[in-house]
Amino acid sequence: EAQVTQNPRYLITVTGKKLTVTCSQNMNHEYMSWYRQDPGLGLRQIYYSMNVEVTDKGDVPEGYKVSRKEKRNFPLILESPSPNQTSLYFCASRGQSNEQFFGPGTRLTVL
Amino acid sequence: TQLLEQSPQFLSIQEGENLTVYCNSSSVFSSLQWYRQEPGEGPVLLVTVVTGGEVKKLKRLTFQFGDARKDSSLHITAAQPGDTGLYLCAERSGTYKYIFGTGTRLKVLA
Repeated sequence: EAQVTQNPRYLITVTGKKLTVTCSQNMNHEYMSWYRQDPGLGLRQIYYSMNVEVTDKGDVPEGYKVSRKEKRNFPLILESPSPNQTSLYFCASRGQSNEQFFGPGTRLTVL
Repeated sequence: TQLLEQSPQFLSIQEGENLTVYCNSSSVFSSLQWYRQEPGEGPVLLVTVVTGGEVKKLKRLTFQFGDARKDSSLHITAAQPGDTGLYLCAERSGTYKYIFGTGTRLKVLA
């Protein structure tokens, strides 16, 4: 089944404790992207990757890092999480068409 | 930065009623997408509109792109409880960036 998977689905952590949210797709898509979703603000793009080893900032990249060492994986790294990074995070991938396929989301709480 | 405004923010209607939700921009869209997001899931693409004045239908859903490509609407005929969800419009800004609207949360009561 074609899908985008994210792990973990839920995470509660404390300020300053480094964490990684994994994202993997099995559709051989070149493009992948991370978003955060907050009430009243919609989805905002954090980072995106056009292909292996090629990444760029979206609209809200501060406090986040990404890497794209393999085509199928695009982890989101929070080196020193803060409470304002409490949010619902989505990973997405896109092939040759304009259709993005989204993962199920990761709900992160930073205390 | 282009902003996408959606209205209304919330909508609660009875099964069988019709409704329209709107997406407006401060500048011209290159193309516009509509997504539906159900609780606990990621958004799912419904349609992409590209040409000004374009109308697309997906069963009971009708999508319209404004002639000037600065606005779009989604009309649902005879809404059903299964239509409940968050409806998002999004513009592809350039090749790799996407801008999403704030969403319309729809609840259809049986």
